[in-house]
This record gives sequence, C-alpha cells and structure tokens, in this order.
Amino acid sequence: GAVVSQHPSRVICKSGTSVKIECRSLDFQATTMFWYRQFPKQSLMLMATSNEGSKATYEQGVEKDKFLINHASLTLSTLTVTSAHPEDSSFYICSAQARQGSYEQYFGPGTRLTVT
Amino acid sequence: GDSVTQMEGPVTLSEEAFLTINCTYTATGYPSLFWYVQYPGEGLQLLLKATKADDKGSNKGFEATYRKETTSFHLEKGSVQVSDSAVYFCALSEPGTYKYIFGTGTRLKVLA
Repeated sequence: GAVVSQHPSRVICKSGTSVKIECRSLDFQATTMFWYRQFPKQSLMLMATSNEGSKATYEQGVEKDKFLINHASLTLSTLTVTSAHPEDSSFYICSAQARQGSYEQYFGPGTRLTVT
Repeated sequence: GDSVTQMEGPVTLSEEAFLTINCTYTATGYPSLFWYVQYPGEGLQLLLKATKADDKGSNKGFEATYRKETTSFHLEKGSVQVSDSAVYFCALSEPGTYKYIFGTGTRLKVLA
C-alpha cells in the first residue's frame, strides 16, 4: 500500500515552454502533498506544500508564479514549471501524506526535468 | 530550528563489511526519525523508522535505534552487499507537523 506515482519520469523541454508534472496517490487519499527539488548530489529542498482544494504554501525563495501547484483532488497534485529555463533543470520529487494515520510521507519516484 | 546532521560521504566499503552511517539531530520536541534510501535515478524509499525513544527500526538487515540521550539515529548493517550502493538520507518529523527535515545524504559505494 501507500504508493505514489509521478508522470512523466523524464521530460526534456525547450527554454521558454511550460511543463506539467503529475503526482498521484494510487491507493490512499492524500490531504497534503509536497513538492521537493533535488540538485545533483544534494539533499531534498522542500518547495511547497499543497492541500486539496486550497492554495499551495511556498517555501521562502520559491517563485510561486514560476512553479504553479494545483491540488485538485485527494489523489492528484500537479506542478507546472512555467517559462522554463536551463537553471530549472533538476529532479523533482513529490510526496503525499495520508488523510488518516501518521504524518509519514510517501514519496514518488521523481521526475527528471531537462530544459534545453 | 530543527536540523539533521549526517556524516559526509562517500563511504566506500568492501562487500560483507560492517556499515555505520552516523546521524544526529536537534529538535524541540520528540520527533519521529526516518532513514530513506535513494537508488540512482529514483525517488526516496523508506528504509526504516522509529517514533519514540529506544525504538529500533529495522528492515532488510539495516537497523537504527532512536537514542534520545545522544540525539542520534545511526544506521547500521552487519554485512553490506553491492546492491546496497545508494544514497542514504536521515530525516526527522516533529509530531503535529508535516514537514520533514532531511540530512544532506550519505553516498554508500560497496565494492565486490
């Protein structure tokens, strides 16, 4: 149980375009989902927290207009990188917190974004 | 604020060697502690966890004991395999909150 998927697993896009990454909780309902960014050989940096049906809460230094987050249902959150630039290239990982039970987070497999 | 400190890597071991990866934390309350493993190109997988003092988490031969007196949660394995090569992250989560605080990760390389 507690499986989180991400789609796509890899994406290459051209500079200036937008790309959407989906995060789904497959077998549980997630009140809260998180988006992390991981730079090469570094730890995870929390970008934002999204709650179903409300606006995302962004961490300090994260541009909310560049990284649009939508949590439309209890099983789906999306991260849209708008007007992507090469410096946005990174590994993006989402996690989901179950509606009931512990505060444990379940992580998706990650999405490798490359902006050319 | 809360923080997690891990030993710097990379750690290189021969197969069947004993592994210890140190992790210490600072927290205002009584956090839950986690070890996650990340294989190349993949997301994080929960390896083990402990939610209160003196709890021992264990999985796949890995163990870690929640030591409140030393604020530590060191990861150990008696005999590593080449397939254990990965990056290991220590993390904490304060009760009543949703945020995880991650350590910087320790890369383990096991040689045949």
